[in-house]
Amino acid sequence: NAGVMQNPRHLVRRRGQEARLRCSPMKGHSHVYWYRQLPEEGLKFMVYLQKENIIDESGMPKERFSAEFPKEGPSILRIQQVVRGDSAAYFCASSPPGQGLQPQHFGDGTRLSIL
Amino acid sequence: QQQVKQSPQSLIVQKGGISIINCAYENTAFDYFPWYQQFPGKGPALLIAIRPDVSEKKEGRFTISFNKSAKQFSLHIMDSQPGDSATYFCAASIMGGSEKLVFGKGTKLTVNP
Repeated sequence: NAGVMQNPRHLVRRRGQEARLRCSPMKGHSHVYWYRQLPEEGLKFMVYLQKENIIDESGMPKERFSAEFPKEGPSILRIQQVVRGDSAAYFCASSPPGQGLQPQHFGDGTRLSIL
Repeated sequence: QQQVKQSPQSLIVQKGGISIINCAYENTAFDYFPWYQQFPGKGPALLIAIRPDVSEKKEGRFTISFNKSAKQFSLHIMDSQPGDSATYFCAASIMGGSEKLVFGKGTKLTVNP
């Protein structure tokens, strides 16, 4: 049973370019979370999605950032017009549907570097 | 308040010793407290978790102690091994809502042979 798959593992972009980060949840999981980790910091929540719906985007910057989780295919975190401050590790986590405790399982992240 | 405070920032323990990492929270609505282990270049992996209806949970060498009145919880690693060297994060969430995790800043544990 494959875990959460994120690609690319490393992404280099120049200032002003777009970055697209992909996340395929574990089989049977329909909930996806995106977190950002700065060096020497804990993970910060960005957005929570279910299939075709954004449930909670309270941690997402208001500009340049967007996320989607289409009916078919991976979840995408998109960063437009990247700036140096966007350099970080971006982690995706997934959990199964249902009520009650559903632990989140993390992928190995995408390390984004902005030149 | 959504903050989770974690200490110490770094910890060095000898093989066979006990590693203790502490966390404190402010939001009394939190009702799920997991600990994650992260190795360099990898994503966080769920280690052990606790609900506030119990004061302690043990899984192998790992134990969570929970003090609801003090709003504190801690991770104890018994018989620490060099393979336990990693960064440990405590977290908290509110079940039934978005269940987003609020993380502490992490503790870098080094276990010397």
